[in-house]
Amino acid sequence: AQSVAQPEDQVNVAEGNPLTVKCTYSVSGNPYLFWYVQYPNRGLQFLLKYITGDNLVKGSYGFEAEFNKSQTSFHLKKPSALVSDSALYFCAVSSRSRYNFNKFYFGSGTKLNVKP
Amino acid sequence: NAGVTQTPKFRVLKTGQSMTLLCAQDMNHEYMYWYRQDPGMGLRLIHYSVGEGTTAKGEVPDGYNVSRLKKQNFLLGLESAAPSQTSVYFCASSYPTRMTGVGTEAFFGQGTRLTVV
Repeated sequence: AQSVAQPEDQVNVAEGNPLTVKCTYSVSGNPYLFWYVQYPNRGLQFLLKYITGDNLVKGSYGFEAEFNKSQTSFHLKKPSALVSDSALYFCAVSSRSRYNFNKFYFGSGTKLNVKP
Repeated sequence: NAGVTQTPKFRVLKTGQSMTLLCAQDMNHEYMYWYRQDPGMGLRLIHYSVGEGTTAKGEVPDGYNVSRLKKQNFLLGLESAAPSQTSVYFCASSYPTRMTGVGTEAFFGQGTRLTVV
């Protein structure tokens, strides 16, 4: 069965400090991995994805994520957090069904609080 | 370019009432999805569609029906609303993997906040 785990409900970090939001996954075959961000009362916005190749993926707003196959992890990182980064972050994994359908499985979300 | 548009944005229903949520996308995507978002549970797939005229059940389909009569529209219906269906509903769309050759991300609408009293 495919699944995604985000072990932290909330992450608190001071502005200017590095941040990490954790994600681990379970999927048969090669995974497609995604990070989305959700601001209050808004839809999910795509940040970045891992398909294949370089394990370090760079995305929008200075975010990056590191794919680690041996640890089945895809942690989201940013070198220097901004107050405006405060939001709800979702990790997702995509796999194919018999219809060649890229079905998405989402984690439960991690609330990032960046304090000034 | 509007992307994915959901209507309505907010709705309050009484138990037993019915309603339809409309999702429209202008990106010519083949795949469309309906998710519900509940606190601490992330997004759960209700129904999905791999093309015009086709639909399939997701993880939590009970109490919902869907239709995809046109490629750009995906409707979610609640025949007899229950308080357990109080949630935020998101529609999304994406290209199929076979078209692009790589995993494609989903594009989301702004959501519909539904309260059933």
